[in-house]
Amino acid sequence: KQEVTQIPAALSVPEGENLVLNCSFTDSAIYNLQWFRQDPGKGLTSLLLIQSSQREQTSGRLNASLDKSSGRSTLYIAASQPGDSATYLCAVRSGAQKLVFGQGTRLTINP
Amino acid sequence: DVKVTQSSRYLVKRTGEKVFLECVQDMDHENMFWYRQDPGLGLRLIYFSYDVKMKEKGDIPEGYSVSREKKERFSLILESASTNQTSMYLCASSPDGLAGVTDTQYFGPGTRLTVL
Repeated sequence: KQEVTQIPAALSVPEGENLVLNCSFTDSAIYNLQWFRQDPGKGLTSLLLIQSSQREQTSGRLNASLDKSSGRSTLYIAASQPGDSATYLCAVRSGAQKLVFGQGTRLTINP
Repeated sequence: DVKVTQSSRYLVKRTGEKVFLECVQDMDHENMFWYRQDPGLGLRLIYFSYDVKMKEKGDIPEGYSVSREKKERFSLILESASTNQTSMYLCASSPDGLAGVTDTQYFGPGTRLTVL
């Protein structure tokens, strides 16, 4: 059974810092891995999707990497801003249409 | 833009009531999903549907049922609401086939359900 773990559960950093969020998964047989953002009391917004054949994806200040063999992904956020404060969720698709989610990292950027 | 809407943002019900949560998507997606999200437990899949009138149980289907009579609409039903069903409920949709492998799931804004 696929399990997804995100470390740390919470992170607080000053504005302007570069930071890395971590995601690990137990079964390397995946179709893709996705990073989502969730603002308090809201739904999820897709940030980046990495196919199993890809190593990384970039969107603006965000860069996500995937190392399938070791079961790890990282989300790198450059020059963090207070507006980046949210919960970041990692999810893997390893069968059918279902996604398996980690529990998220709650990120706070302090002005 | 894909749009997934949910009928209510906040809902308060009494124990034993029958509760309907509605979800509508406007992108002609084949797949639709219902999740619940609880602190410390993350998102858990309740049910999903890959076509009209088709459904499959997710990880936590007990106490819930679903209905999909039209492609764009997927309903979650709590036959007899209980306090342990107090949660945030999220609906999502995604395309099928090759697009389903390369595309993401699109989420609605969520319904915060409180059962008293």
